[in-house]
This record gives sequence, C-alpha cells and structure tokens, in this order.
Amino acid sequence: DTEVTQTPKHLVMGMTNKKSLKCEQHMGHRAMYWYKQKAKKPPELMFVYSYEKLSINESVPSRFSPECPNSSLLNLHLHALQPEDSALYLCASSQVLGAPLHFGNGTRLTVT
Amino acid sequence: AQSVSQHNHHVILSEAASLELGCNYSYGGTVNLFWYVQYPGQHLQLLLKYFSGDPLVKGIKGFEAEFIKSKFSFNLRKPSVQWSDTAEYFCAVKGGSQGNLIFGKGTKLSVKP
Repeated sequence: DTEVTQTPKHLVMGMTNKKSLKCEQHMGHRAMYWYKQKAKKPPELMFVYSYEKLSINESVPSRFSPECPNSSLLNLHLHALQPEDSALYLCASSQVLGAPLHFGNGTRLTVT
Repeated sequence: AQSVSQHNHHVILSEAASLELGCNYSYGGTVNLFWYVQYPGQHLQLLLKYFSGDPLVKGIKGFEAEFIKSKFSFNLRKPSVQWSDTAEYFCAVKGGSQGNLIFGKGTKLSVKP
C-alpha cells in the first residue's frame, strides 16, 4: 500500500461539471506533485508545490487549478474539462524538492 | 533541456532469464537518476536511485543499475527474472537542484512462466 492517498479512485464527469481531486500524505513531506498519465505513456508533470507554495506550473491549462491548503493536502480543482483530459492523475510527494517521489494510486478520470 | 530515452518498448522474457533495460539521458550537468516500476493496476514505486558515489546501485527485489557517465546511461539489470516482475519500468532523470523529474516512455516487461 502507498502512503500517499488519493480520492476518489475513479471519477466520471461531464464537460460542464466542477469536481476536485484530493491527495493526502502524513510522512512530513514538504514537496507535493500532480502528474498526468495517459494510457501507455509516462507520467507528465503538471504542478509542483514546495512548502505549500506553487513552485512549478508546466503550462497546464487554467481548467486545472491546484491548491495546497496545508503541508499534508493537495487538491486539483477541475472545471470545464475536455474529453482529451481523460487520464490517470497521479499525486506524489517527496521529503523536499528533488528527493525520491512517493506516488499515490491515482484517480482515473473520464470526461464525457 | 534534459530528456530520457528508453529504447525498448516491450521486452518479453522467460523466467530465470537475465534482464537489462536501457536508459540514456541527455543533460550536461549533475543528475539524479531513478528507476520506477508500475505493476499492473498499481501505483509507481521506486526501485532504486543514484545521487552520487558508487555508480553501481542496488535496489529492491534484486534489481541493480549502473551509472556510466561517459555513456549517459543508467541501465537496469536483474540476473534472473520472475513472473512477478511483469510490469512497466520507467527510467527518470532529475537534472540540477531546480530540475524537474522527467520520465522516459517506459518499457513493458512481460515474463512468461
């Protein structure tokens, strides 16, 4: 079992919906990440938070909005998504930026 | 910009065969190197990592990798694979203190019992 917990495990949403993905870790890690993984592709970095501050935004469309309310939680707010946004969304954490990542099981998102 | 190449897309082996998965990276400076494994339906797990020191790194489950700086390579090896090693293997590189972790495209390993 992973120590990074993501909810929900599966999410189906329409293009006009607003939903949020949640990620939680209690390892005291100070860096948290969102990755997107399409089928048969490697994970692609979306956002990085370091000490609760947004450190990296890899030119992600504004329909994805990250939030880090505290050092243990990371959210990804979704609004007006497109079908091509369907993917596995992975959360990860590390002790600090650059340390090895611990991944969650991911949220499998389907946009209809 | 840094990049990672995994040349083998799909490798099929019989149990007890030896494994070597290739990984080459392009980055001129100091790098941190990783191999991650993703078993079917499971999350990505760290197999091993190289930051500095001995270029031969031993990881979990009998895997090892060798950092060859002159070849910009970090190949993954296992002397004798098992059916349970069937998974997707990702090489990843982080370049510099401010670098992002970049993943290769992955190599799918299928081990026949």
